[in-house]
Amino acid sequence: DAGVTQSPTHLIKTRGQQVTLRCSPKSGHDTVSWYQQALGQGPQFIFQYYEEEERQRGNFPDRFSGHQFPNYSSELNVNALLLGDSALYLCASSLVSARQGNEQFFGPGTRLTVL
Amino acid sequence: AQSVSQHNHHVILSEAASLELGCNYSYGGTVNLFWYVQYPGQHLQLLLKYFSGDPLVKGIKGFEAEFIKSKFSFNLRKPSVQWSDTAEYFCAVTPAHYGQNFVFGPGTRLSVLP
Repeated sequence: DAGVTQSPTHLIKTRGQQVTLRCSPKSGHDTVSWYQQALGQGPQFIFQYYEEEERQRGNFPDRFSGHQFPNYSSELNVNALLLGDSALYLCASSLVSARQGNEQFFGPGTRLTVL
Repeated sequence: AQSVSQHNHHVILSEAASLELGCNYSYGGTVNLFWYVQYPGQHLQLLLKYFSGDPLVKGIKGFEAEFIKSKFSFNLRKPSVQWSDTAEYFCAVTPAHYGQNFVFGPGTRLSVLP
């Protein structure tokens, strides 16, 4: 049973560029959430996708956008990159109809460095 | 808005010492509570979770946590730590509704000296 996978593992970009990160949820899961984890901090919620729509959004600017595909995989897009966007980007999947609440399973993350 | 605080930024213990990491949250409704661990170079892994029922929950690797509703706390404990417990520990809370996002605490770094 494959867990949550993310690609790429590492990415280096320059200020002003755009980046796309990808996530495949755990088998059987239908909901994908994205988090940003800056160095030395806890993950911060960016947004969540369910049924190909953004269902919730954290306190992140519109430069951060996403998409969910019919196979439940997801992309995170960041435009006009800033130095402060350097972080570990985590994808988490869950099953919205799970009986036992909303446990989320996390992927290994994509390390984004903006120069 | 929900928030989570963790009492200690960095804890240093010797092997076999007992561990307690504090976690407090602010949210007025029913919550689900989690402790995640992040070992160096690895991804977040679930240690334990509380949804309902017995407020004392047991997780993997000998960890346990107690939910005290009146104190809005969910402290993590282990009676005897090992060097391999060296990691970053995150407390997280989410409203007890399906599909809700997590709010994480800032994390506590645990260093266990051999």
